[in-house]
Amino acid sequence: DQQVKQNSPSLSVQEGRISILNCDYTNSMFDYFLWYKKYPAEGPTFLISISSIKDKNEDGRFTVFLNKSAKHLSLHIVPSQPGDSAVYFCAAKNNNDMRFGAGTRLTVKP
Amino acid sequence: ETGVTQTPRHLVMGMTNKKSLKCEQHLGHNAMYWYKQSAKKPLELMFVYNFKEQTENNSVPSRFSPECPNSSHLFLHLHTLQPEDSALYLCASSQSLQFLNYGYTFGSGTRLTVV
Repeated sequence: DQQVKQNSPSLSVQEGRISILNCDYTNSMFDYFLWYKKYPAEGPTFLISISSIKDKNEDGRFTVFLNKSAKHLSLHIVPSQPGDSAVYFCAAKNNNDMRFGAGTRLTVKP
Repeated sequence: ETGVTQTPRHLVMGMTNKKSLKCEQHLGHNAMYWYKQSAKKPLELMFVYNFKEQTENNSVPSRFSPECPNSSHLFLHLHTLQPEDSALYLCASSQSLQFLNYGYTFGSGTRLTVV
């Protein structure tokens, strides 16, 4: 029962352009959404989050958009930098239950 | 030392062995978690502890046994594992189960291989 899905296992973007990472969920009870970034040989690190009562949250180059009617959220990175190359996990929370997607590997080419 | 520290980083064990994974956090967090990450699969929640009390056991086989002696330490005891248990085991902590403005803080994980 995969309640959080990241359908693109990989994404390649040119440096300076926008990276858009997508995530879909099925449980309408999720009330909080998060994005994590993971480098090889390290644990995931928290990047940005959004409450279900909002539709946008921005932090520097990172913006998360939430479309509750479509049960879809996305992470925009602009401008993309080579150091952004990592695996990005989407997560959604309902009470004490946090569900993760399988991740999208982003490669930013110089 | 800050953050979440997991030891060992790598572990190879036979199916009849008994080993333990250790997690330690010095962030003053009250909730701690064990996750399993298998290749190309989502992170799977295994156990949740809140103020040293187990609040979640996500249908994990009994060959995995967690222990939380205090809010700073979390162990995962392993015995008679199967090769399909080979995965990256991640420990995480958060200030509380409800306060997640800054998400979880994850350790670097233990890469477990069962032979």
